[in-house]
Amino acid sequence: QVQLQESGPGLVKPSETLSLTCTVSGGSISSYYWSWIRQPPGKGLEWIGYIYYTGSTNYNPSLKSRVTISVDTSKNQFSLKLNSVTAADTAVYYCARDRFQNDYWGQGTLVTVSS
Amino acid sequence: EIVLTQSPGTLSLSPGERATLSCRASQSVSSTYLAWYQQKPGQAPRLLIYGASSRATGIPDRFSGSGSGTDFTLTISRLEPEDFAVYYCQQYDSSPRTFGQGTKLEIK
Repeated sequence: QVQLQESGPGLVKPSETLSLTCTVSGGSISSYYWSWIRQPPGKGLEWIGYIYYTGSTNYNPSLKSRVTISVDTSKNQFSLKLNSVTAADTAVYYCARDRFQNDYWGQGTLVTVSS
Repeated sequence: EIVLTQSPGTLSLSPGERATLSCRASQSVSSTYLAWYQQKPGQAPRLLIYGASSRATGIPDRFSGSGSGTDFTLTISRLEPEDFAVYYCQQYDSSPRTFGQGTKLEIK
């Protein structure tokens, strides 16, 4: 059974960089795409982007100038960096396996942007 | 970007009743690339349906999906107490992938 676990700081200051890592267990990160999706408190879901295990990426244009997703196959991990954050980036951030549809999800981690 | 509009926003039904949830796209979506998710409070979304009508692993057969083009439907044939949650549709036909705003299914 594939499991995903997000990790990273729960509090980030405005204008700084949000950094999260997703660790995949129970299966290899290779041969799949992997996504980041976020959900502001009380609101709907927003796709941030995905990465293939080879490193190719696709980002949401609304975030593209601030987002970097990377992969480390040796650690079975992929990561999200979002720079120049504001309060609008406060959300639960999910990592998920991407087979076009997202079939396995992490539990999510709340990141609050506040000074 | 393809905008997905879900209706109704809130659906109030009783256990045992049939639920019909709608997802309308701003432009045609290949039925191969439309999914439905269920989300309960404090939990991650759970994949229910992909390819518009294929049930994900472990999903009970009371859940079914249908539709094509711009109109898609999720049907729950007989509501169980555990089915009351928020449901989202998602398209992955074109980038960026987008989600509907959600339908909250509540107990009447």
